[in-house]
Amino acid sequence: EPEVTQTPSHQVTQMGQEVILRCVPISNHLYFYWYRQILGQKVEFLVSFYNNEISEKSEIFDDQFSVERPDGSNFTLKIRSTKLEDSAMYFCASIGDRVKSGYTFGSGTRLTVV
Amino acid sequence: QQQVKQSPQSLIVQKGGISIINCAYENTAFDYFPWYQQFPGKGPALLIAIRPDVSEKKEGRFTISFNKSAKQFSLHIMDSQPGDSATYFCAARLAAGNKLTFGGGTRVLVKP
Repeated sequence: EPEVTQTPSHQVTQMGQEVILRCVPISNHLYFYWYRQILGQKVEFLVSFYNNEISEKSEIFDDQFSVERPDGSNFTLKIRSTKLEDSAMYFCASIGDRVKSGYTFGSGTRLTVV
Repeated sequence: QQQVKQSPQSLIVQKGGISIINCAYENTAFDYFPWYQQFPGKGPALLIAIRPDVSEKKEGRFTISFNKSAKQFSLHIMDSQPGDSATYFCAARLAAGNKLTFGGGTRVLVKP
């Protein structure tokens, strides 16, 4: 079964450093998303991406965050200057057909900011 | 108005029993209601989903009941097994948008 692949699985970074979280969505999918989950809390929407541009973003997704699809396969989330409160699991997801199909999530990247 | 409220926060059920998780929403513009199962260290995995024009959907041991007038939906896990022990999230998606709004999650423990 096709999978959404995320790397790295765990990243530890110093506060103020830039991090890039990487995702390879399912190959024929068209809609891409980032969600995050702070430990023990619910999954929260960050941003959706379609046709090489952001289609929707949450209030969490401020100027410190950016997304990019640098080539035909990768989808990245960049956090420019990490804060302690950015520590969370970050999940990438993709769907092929918004009407018919559900989201496929990756296994996540655990980001720890120290 | 965008919230999805989920209860209970945790649930312990004996093997073979029924697990019931409830969710409620306010926004009538939601058009798709999935349930996700999440194991520790893994991403949410789609379990079953329903649209508001259907009152019930069953897939194997998992059933969603949907009450449009009450703006509530629930997940029933029949014949619960220890392998069902996980965190379950309900979610809702706006018809006009892309994002999912998740409930707070229910941690289910099935005792052998």
